[in-house]
Amino acid sequence: NAGVTQTPKFQVLKTGQSMTLQCAQDMNHNSMYWYRQDPGMGLRLIYYSASEGTTDKGEVPNGYNVSRLNKREFSLRLESAAPSQTSVYFCASSLRASGSVGDTQYFGPGTRLTVL
Amino acid sequence: GQQVMQIPQYQHVQEGEDFTTYCNSSTTLSNIQWYKQRPGGHPVFLIQLVKSGEVKKQKRLTFQFGEAKKNSSLHITATQTTDVGTYFCAAPGGSNYQLIWGAGTKLIIKP
Repeated sequence: NAGVTQTPKFQVLKTGQSMTLQCAQDMNHNSMYWYRQDPGMGLRLIYYSASEGTTDKGEVPNGYNVSRLNKREFSLRLESAAPSQTSVYFCASSLRASGSVGDTQYFGPGTRLTVL
Repeated sequence: GQQVMQIPQYQHVQEGEDFTTYCNSSTTLSNIQWYKQRPGGHPVFLIQLVKSGEVKKQKRLTFQFGEAKKNSSLHITATQTTDVGTYFCAAPGGSNYQLIWGAGTKLIIKP
């Protein structure tokens, strides 16, 4: 039972390049999330997927797209990377709605992205 | 939009001293969650508080939820090196699918 896995662990891009961050969970969770964490900062929600087939914008969606490929997988795409997108990206999942009583979020190990 | 304010940003303590972090909201919260992130790691869930005035303990960690459900605190008694990391509070945002996160309090043990 691996929990939440993310690939790659590290990535360096040049400005304008594109890439996709992959996330998968094996806990049969319905909801999945993408966050970014800048140095010394809290977590900011980029996009989330409440259930398979749905996606919604979070606090900072500009410059990103997502795909909920199936119940297990939720990918984040940077179409044209910018230095401002240098950050650590975390994927998380929850059984239903993580703000609900009795629910919580489980995080992957993160992807450390640098855009030059 | 809704915010959860967390203070202090950093706390330096000698090993064995106590540590406290506080979270405040201008609106009533249905619940509040606490997470710990070790250096270089990812956030890990610690606890969820739901009831007004609730106090929960996990060994040397004491979590409190205010009577008005607008504030919460985490207190660590007699810190150890294993406590090093950043502690975050998080509460439901615009929908129950979103958590609004505090900025975190970094616990640093002085050598």
